[in-house]
Amino acid sequence: GNSVTQMEGPVTLSEEAFLTINCTYTATGYPSLFWYVQYPGEGLQLLLKATKADDKGSNKGFEATYRKETTSFHLEKGSVQVSDSAVYFCALRGSAGGTSYGKLTFGQGTILTVHP
Amino acid sequence: DGGITQSPKYLFRKEGQNVTLSCEQNLNHDAMYWYRQDPGQGLRLIYYSQIVNDFQKGDIAEGYSVSREKKESFPLTVTSAQKNPTAFYLCASSIDSQYSNQPQHFGDGTRLSIL
Repeated sequence: GNSVTQMEGPVTLSEEAFLTINCTYTATGYPSLFWYVQYPGEGLQLLLKATKADDKGSNKGFEATYRKETTSFHLEKGSVQVSDSAVYFCALRGSAGGTSYGKLTFGQGTILTVHP
Repeated sequence: DGGITQSPKYLFRKEGQNVTLSCEQNLNHDAMYWYRQDPGQGLRLIYYSQIVNDFQKGDIAEGYSVSREKKESFPLTVTSAQKNPTAFYLCASSIDSQYSNQPQHFGDGTRLSIL
């Protein structure tokens, strides 16, 4: 079945530091890939997405590129802010024809804390 | 504003008691989902529904039940058979599960605790 593996956290950075959160996946066919963000006590918000190989998703200074050759979708931001402190989830959605069609499979989440 | 409303935000259950979590959406989405989130873990799918009056079990359906009588509503019942119900429960919806590139939109969650 499908699976998503994220780098273990927590990640602690100083403001304006560079952020990378690694995400790799296992899936058949051509899944769509997503990054979600969860702030304390809230639900998940879609941060960005990519639907085919070499697509780059971007939003609020965050970027991630769909790399089929390395089955990866790493999240990056050039300069983090205190307000970026949250839990980040990588997820994939199975492509048509597979047993996991339409369902989201999540990584375990990475806690990011940014200090002033 | 369109969105997903989950209620209540906090819920307490006594041993042997069933409780129902509400999820309502006004996004006109066809598909709806229930997830369970435990500390340090990702989300696990409990049940999902692609259309009204139809739903399927997810990865951890035991001890839970759902109904989908209206497009807008997808309530989740945590039964007494669920031995470890303490968790954060998230409801989500999407336009159509046939299109894998459509994201799911999430509510703000219900935190269930055992008294």
